[in-house]
Amino acid sequence: GENVEQHPSTLSVQEGDSAVIKCTYSDSASNYFPWYKQELGKRPQLIIDIRSNVGEKKDQRIAVTLNKTAKHFSLHITETQPEDSAVYFCAASGGGYSGAGSYQLTFGKGTKLSVIP
Amino acid sequence: GAVVSQHPSWVICKSGTSVKIECRSLDFQATTMFWYRQFPKQSLMLMATSNEGSKATYEQGVEKDKFLINHASLTLSTLTVTSAHPEDSSFYICSASAGSSYNEQFFGPGTRLTVL
Repeated sequence: GENVEQHPSTLSVQEGDSAVIKCTYSDSASNYFPWYKQELGKRPQLIIDIRSNVGEKKDQRIAVTLNKTAKHFSLHITETQPEDSAVYFCAASGGGYSGAGSYQLTFGKGTKLSVIP
Repeated sequence: GAVVSQHPSWVICKSGTSVKIECRSLDFQATTMFWYRQFPKQSLMLMATSNEGSKATYEQGVEKDKFLINHASLTLSTLTVTSAHPEDSSFYICSASAGSSYNEQFFGPGTRLTVL
């Protein structure tokens, strides 16, 4: 099955600096890579995703890059703000078919991001 | 669009009792629903996958007789934790997929289960 590794597990940055979180995956069949932000006690919130036919995607201060050959993808947050503080999860999908046209998501272990004012 | 609700948002029960959690897709038809469990400071772990009208597929190590899943309609799936014990205390999150080629899952708000 798919295995997703995520680093670092914790990350502290000064407000205004950039934050980078990296993930690797094992299943070459995976083709969808979402990133989620989760605040304490709440549901994971999709912040950006990328598909395997694209190398980079950007949405305002957030960007994701994908290197399909090396099987790794990264989340970049620029101009960090205190409200960016949360746990971020990467995930990979496309390798585990669940039936009815759906695929399993395999999550990384998460990165706790703290933005220091 | 793509709203998923969960009920209850939290529940406290006594050891040995059963608890049912509902997951509903409010504005789309969910051909597949996923159930996750998340322990404090850990990641989401997939427990089982259910397709409407079919038996659920459980991940290794998840007892199907303890965690009963029913997906009787395209908008509702239920997870029943039977004979709950304190070690079952966790945050249970469902997600729903419309089965498009996009692979996106839409998450419910989660249910905090505490077993005394």
